[in-house]
Amino acid sequence: NAGVTQTPKFRVLKTGQSMTLLCAQDMNHEYMYWYRQDPGMGLRLIHYSVGEGTTAKGEVPDGYNVSRLKKQNFLLGLESAAPSQTSVYFCASLLTGVMEGRTEAFFGQGTRLTVV
Amino acid sequence: LAKTTQPISMDSYEGQEVNITCSHNNIATNDYITWYQQFPSQGPRFIIQGYKTKVTNEVASLFIPADRKSSTLSLPRVSLSDTAVYYCLVGDPDGSSNTGKLIFGQGTTLQVKP
Repeated sequence: NAGVTQTPKFRVLKTGQSMTLLCAQDMNHEYMYWYRQDPGMGLRLIHYSVGEGTTAKGEVPDGYNVSRLKKQNFLLGLESAAPSQTSVYFCASLLTGVMEGRTEAFFGQGTRLTVV
Repeated sequence: LAKTTQPISMDSYEGQEVNITCSHNNIATNDYITWYQQFPSQGPRFIIQGYKTKVTNEVASLFIPADRKSSTLSLPRVSLSDTAVYYCLVGDPDGSSNTGKLIFGQGTTLQVKP
């Protein structure tokens, strides 16, 4: 059971380039999330999805797009990368609806992105 | 979504008990309180979750007073490996009242010293 897997783990982009980060989960979770974390800061929600085919904006959505074509995958796209998007990106999926209201988010190992 | 407030940082020494308090004055009836731990260069991981009174597991205890406007994460006898960022989240597990958002905030950086 791999849990949540992010691809790639590291990437360096030039300003203006585009790229897609892939998040895959094998736990059949409905909810998935993309966060960014800057040095010394907490996690900020970029976009999220509550099910296949659905997406919604989080706290800092500008400059990013997402897609959830398959339940197990959540893609984060940067159409024209900027230095301000240099950050560590985390994907998560959420276990919900189990006994006694227990929910638990499972995170990937992160993608370290540098835009030069 | 209920807004949470927690201290930015805390220091402790090995072997001490650490209590981190989170304020959530506008917590909703259906909201649960969840704590996560994040080590450097890793994603957060779930520690504990509760609705009221006290919850205990092998890692920590969570104390929630009757008015539920705050909660306290208690880490017994911390070690150097407990140095991490701790996040308090408040929300409805089923998403019926919060549309599925999961907001983490800045968290509390705990530094455990020898």
